[in-house]
Amino acid sequence: AQSVTQLDSHVSVSEGTPVLLRCNYSSSYSPSLFWYVQHPNKGLQLLLKYTSAATLVKGINGFEAEFKKSETSFHLTKPSAHMSDAAEYFCVVSDLVNNNDMRFGAGTRLTVKP
Amino acid sequence: SQTIHQWPATLVQPVGSPLSLECTVEGTSNPNLYWYRQAAGRGLQLLFYSVGIGQISSEVPQNLSASRPQDRQFILSSKKLLLSDSGFYLCAWSSERMNTEAFFGQGTRLTVV
Repeated sequence: AQSVTQLDSHVSVSEGTPVLLRCNYSSSYSPSLFWYVQHPNKGLQLLLKYTSAATLVKGINGFEAEFKKSETSFHLTKPSAHMSDAAEYFCVVSDLVNNNDMRFGAGTRLTVKP
Repeated sequence: SQTIHQWPATLVQPVGSPLSLECTVEGTSNPNLYWYRQAAGRGLQLLFYSVGIGQISSEVPQNLSASRPQDRQFILSSKKLLLSDSGFYLCAWSSERMNTEAFFGQGTRLTVV
């Protein structure tokens, strides 16, 4: 079955500095990959998705991610962090072989310091 | 447009009591439906998913069950809650088309006391 590993459980950055949240995936077929954000006690909001089109995907709030098949990675980046970016971020994989069910990483908590 | 409703938002239940959480989707037909649980400080664990009425796949053996009595209704149940069932439960739907994102409800915070 497909799976996702988020390499950092917690990332702390200063406001205005770049953000990098790392994600590696395992999939037996052509995967679709997603990044979601969750603010405390809220549901999940989709940031961006990759579905076999352009490998560099732009999402909302200035986030983007690059699909690298050779590295099985889908890291999330943002050039300049904002205080409102502080939240939990989830990398998600789904693939056709497994009936499109979605598998979540353990999450990365992003802290933004003033 | 499609919407997903999940209720209640918060629930406090004693150990050994039954549970019923309901999720409904509007504005789409034959969605894939999911129940996830998020324990404190942890990621999301897929509990159940369904690709059609009466079709339920269980990911983790436990004292929870799920049912899909109607196309756009997904119910999470338990006959007797355990302390370890406490957590944040999220319902989600995705299109039956492949490789589409999931849309989440606002979640239910369940505390078993």
